[in-house]
Amino acid sequence: EVQLEESGGGLVQPGGSLTLSCTGSGVSLDDSAMHWVRQSPGKGLEWVSTINWNSNKVAYAASVEGRFTISRDHAKSSLYLQMNSLRPEDTAFYYCAKDFCTSTGWACYFDYWGQGVLVTVSS
Amino acid sequence: QSVLTQPPSASGTPGQRVTISCSGSRSNVVIKAVNWYQQLPGTAPKLLIYTNYQRASGVPDRFSGSKSGTSASLAISGLQSEDEADYYCATWDDSLNAWVFGGGTKLTVL
Repeated sequence: EVQLEESGGGLVQPGGSLTLSCTGSGVSLDDSAMHWVRQSPGKGLEWVSTINWNSNKVAYAASVEGRFTISRDHAKSSLYLQMNSLRPEDTAFYYCAKDFCTSTGWACYFDYWGQGVLVTVSS
Repeated sequence: QSVLTQPPSASGTPGQRVTISCSGSRSNVVIKAVNWYQQLPGTAPKLLIYTNYQRASGVPDRFSGSKSGTSASLAISGLQSEDEADYYCATWDDSLNAWVFGGGTKLTVL
């Protein structure tokens, strides 16, 4: 069974920092791009960031560009999201998701998701 | 306001057919594959439909996807109580260089 598990969430003050981690079991994450998606309580899904398989391509939503950094460590089969200068509007459940693309790269989708971790930014 | 537009709610009685729409534009839905995710209450999203119409592993054939022009649709036939969930469409947007999600549709089985 494929499982992704996030960790590192919690309560942080505005302006603070937090690092989320994501590990996988039952599947190798090494050959896949990985994503972070967030969901404010009671709201919809918002894509946050993507990193390709070898870390030479990363992308960020405009709302987090310059504040968040995505990275991965193949030796630890782990994905990370370093979040700095946190704002109350960053309060959300953060999900890591594994990417799958067709051989041509024309179509991609998020085939597995973690259970999510809650980040609360409040004083 | 989401780049992809979905109705905030939909409903139906058991056994009925329900359709959820997802409206986009030439920079996303028209040129890219659309995927659908199901989020049951209190759980993480899971893949439901990928590349416009392909069902994910384990998804019953009561669920189907389609796309035409700037719109995609998710249809659920033979509605069951366990289908009560939030449904999201998603795709890549070439103009924004970002993954975009619809605002989500809350499906209620009456």
